[in-house]
Amino acid sequence: NAGVTQTPKFRVLKTGQSMTLLCAQDMNHEYMYWYRQDPGMGLRLIHYSVGEGTTAKGEVPDGYNVSRLKKQNFLLGLESAAPSQTSVYFCASSADRTDQPQHFGDGTRLSIL
Amino acid sequence: QQQVKQSPQSLIVQKGGISIINCAYENTAFDYFPWYQQFPGKGPALLIAIRPDVSEKKEGRFTISFNKSAKQFSLHIMDSQPGDSATYFCAASRDFNKFYFGSGTKLNVKP
Repeated sequence: NAGVTQTPKFRVLKTGQSMTLLCAQDMNHEYMYWYRQDPGMGLRLIHYSVGEGTTAKGEVPDGYNVSRLKKQNFLLGLESAAPSQTSVYFCASSADRTDQPQHFGDGTRLSIL
Repeated sequence: QQQVKQSPQSLIVQKGGISIINCAYENTAFDYFPWYQQFPGKGPALLIAIRPDVSEKKEGRFTISFNKSAKQFSLHIMDSQPGDSATYFCAASRDFNKFYFGSGTKLNVKP
């Protein structure tokens, strides 16, 4: 059982470049989330989705876009990367019940020069 | 403004000792309080969680204490082991849609 898979695991970008991070889950979860983790800041929610075709803004959505065209996939896009977006990005998913935990992927380390 | 404040930032405990990590929140609408454990290079994994209708929950060596009136909750790790060395995050959510995480505590258990 793969759980939550994130690709790529590492990436280096130049300022102004664009890229898409892919999150895939095989647990048939309704909810999916994108977080960024920075030293001393914990995890901050970027965007989330409560079902296929839906997305919503989290705490720090500026500079990012997301799409949930298929239930199992949640894509995070950076249209014009900035050095402030250098971070470790985590995707998570959960079932649509309030007693179910979030399952996290192992993260994508993104450096923007 | 950070919704959940966590302390300490780092903690060193001797093997067999008790590790205590504290969190405080402001939003009384939060109704779910999980703790996550994260090892280097891995994503966080749920350790234990509590709802505000109980004051304590215990699972093995891990206990959450919850004080609703003080808007505080804490993680206690009894008989701490070197394998417990990791970063711990508290979190809070309402209706399981948005999660707010604390800033993390790096625990080092000395053998």
